[in-house]
Amino acid sequence: EPEVTQTPSHQVTQMGQEVILRCVPISNHLYFYWYRQILGQKVEFLVSFYNNEISEKSEIFDDQFSVERPDGSNFTLKIRSTKLEDSAMYFCARAQGAGEQFFGPGTRLTVL
Amino acid sequence: AQRVTQPEKLLSVFKGAPVELKCNYSYSGSPELFWYVQYSRQRLQLLLRHISRESIKGFTADLNKGETSFHLKKPFAQEEDSAMYYCALSRRSGNTGKLIFGQGTTLQVKP
Repeated sequence: EPEVTQTPSHQVTQMGQEVILRCVPISNHLYFYWYRQILGQKVEFLVSFYNNEISEKSEIFDDQFSVERPDGSNFTLKIRSTKLEDSAMYFCARAQGAGEQFFGPGTRLTVL
Repeated sequence: AQRVTQPEKLLSVFKGAPVELKCNYSYSGSPELFWYVQYSRQRLQLLLRHISRESIKGFTADLNKGETSFHLKKPFAQEEDSAMYYCALSRRSGNTGKLIFGQGTTLQVKP
């Protein structure tokens, strides 16, 4: 199974600080996704990324969020000014097409 | 509105008992339905997708378009089936592939 890794596994930050979450895919899948799961709630779609640009984003993905694939491999999610309600597990996923998605282990973000 | 509903937060059964994890969906169009599973301390992974019509680890799921359901079933539960199960849908074609998840159901199989 193609492996997706995410770093860091746990990030603690102060409210208002910027965080960058990283996803490292290890094969040539074309579609990338970020999801988040607030404790006790469902997994929610944030954004999809294809061909080096955003293909779809949810209402959650406001101006505080951005994604990029700066070096052609790492796929990053940046939150510019974190809020308490950004505390969640953030999952990266990727796919070859609109089918099975391979998920990373997640990054737990805690905003204090 | 696109929505996936898993009415049970927790399903607790004894080993060897039949299991049915319920999933209902609301979608205008032709969706693709999935079951993802998350074992303790592991990542989300695909268990089943309706178009493949397979049986994985003894689990099956049939898409019922009339009832807009995609229930997950297994005739005899095993302790190693204990995990969190998520039903999800995606648009069948011409889409970005984003998944819409249900709330998840924790399956607890007791010895």
